[in-house]
Amino acid sequence: DAGITQSPRHKVTETGTPVTLRCHQTENHRYMYWYRQDPGHGLRLIHYSYGVKDTDKGEVSDGYSVSRSKTEDFLLTLESATSSQTSVYFCAISDPPPSGDYNEQFFGPGTRLTVL
Amino acid sequence: GIQVEQSPPDLILQEGANSTLRCNFSDSVNNLQWFHQNPWGQLINLFYIPSGTKQNGRLSATTVATERYSLLYISSSQTTDSGVYFCAVERYSNSGYALNFGKGTSLLVTP
Repeated sequence: DAGITQSPRHKVTETGTPVTLRCHQTENHRYMYWYRQDPGHGLRLIHYSYGVKDTDKGEVSDGYSVSRSKTEDFLLTLESATSSQTSVYFCAISDPPPSGDYNEQFFGPGTRLTVL
Repeated sequence: GIQVEQSPPDLILQEGANSTLRCNFSDSVNNLQWFHQNPWGQLINLFYIPSGTKQNGRLSATTVATERYSLLYISSSQTTDSGVYFCAVERYSNSGYALNFGKGTSLLVTP
């Protein structure tokens, strides 16, 4: 199994508070991703990173920011949480060519976030 | 973005039965993956299959990229096969290598 951990695994917070979710990998993969999973929508990309300090937006990036100061860590921040951000958040990693053989993505265990 | 449609949306099987899940996608893709999300929410990689056929035990998958579909076969189903099966496709774009997921097929295998 790919070495991906997420913390916390569960969090309940109140509207308007800042929240940071952490993804940590031990695979030295270049790419890291944050997705959210909501009923009826499958998984949707929030942000991704293609290297240290290199990040870009995904399909549903509004209200989220990310940072990657080390290869192994990718942080997702909700600056001021809203009830619409209640979701399950998944981190993923991949290592596409040229450094890897192909771009298979592997997912962490997920973080269940509830914003009251 | 690329549209990914999975069918059927729900499926109930008796243990030992076989099934075929289908994934249609709207444009050419670089990559296609099948995942199983177990009842605990974990996403488990089943196949990385942009084209061709692969087999892993009781599961096999076929992707016909030119006709924009993929099939996942489950043979001799077991109760542990229950969960949601997702197809996800990747096409390099402004969102990098993001996967576009279908809405999944929810499978329940009964004893």
